[in-house]
Amino acid sequence: EVQLVESGGGFVQPGGSLRLSCVASGFPFSSYWMSWVRQVPGKGLEWVANINHDETEKYYVDSVKGRFTISRDNAKNSLYLQMDSLRVDDTAVYFCAKCEYQLLENSWGQGALVTVSS
Amino acid sequence: VVLTQSPVILSVSPGERVTLSCRASQSISNNLAWYQQKPGQSPRLLIYDASTRASGVPDRFSASGSGTEFALSISGLQSEDFAVYYCQQYLRWPPRTFGQGTKVDMK
Repeated sequence: EVQLVESGGGFVQPGGSLRLSCVASGFPFSSYWMSWVRQVPGKGLEWVANINHDETEKYYVDSVKGRFTISRDNAKNSLYLQMDSLRVDDTAVYFCAKCEYQLLENSWGQGALVTVSS
Repeated sequence: VVLTQSPVILSVSPGERVTLSCRASQSISNNLAWYQQKPGQSPRLLIYDASTRASGVPDRFSASGSGTEFALSISGLQSEDFAVYYCQQYLRWPPRTFGQGTKVDMK
């Protein structure tokens, strides 16, 4: 059974940093693209970034480019999202997801809440 | 690519048939997926390639469309189908954009 467990969420002031982690199990992690998708509580979904199996391809939504960095450690079955220069509008639940056919998000974690506020 | 879903909220009774719409700001061929999200849960992939049901999705869910106009239909709505539905395009990316969602609510 695929399991994705996010951690690292919390409260941070504007301009601060936070690193999200996602530990995967139940599938050969190193063979799959992975992504981060976020959701402001009560609002819609926003795709944030994805990464290929060996980190040679990384893509971001414009609003986080230069501030967020997606990475992975295949030896630890882990996906990361380093978030710097955080803004109030980055407040959201961040989901990690396993990407399959056409890199669609086919398995999701439970999400980690990031709150950016002064 | 901007995806516009309509209506925003759909109030229906169990057993009814509903149709949700997703319109793309430019042609995305058939590169469209539909997700279902129930309250307090993570999204679930329902449909990909505009009309193909994902594994385990009941056949009361059907979808169609290509280019800029897409639809998701649910026939014989069941209690577990009350949720928010999102479309997502994956032809022209990054970013892989989602629509704003349609909430299917119980009347």
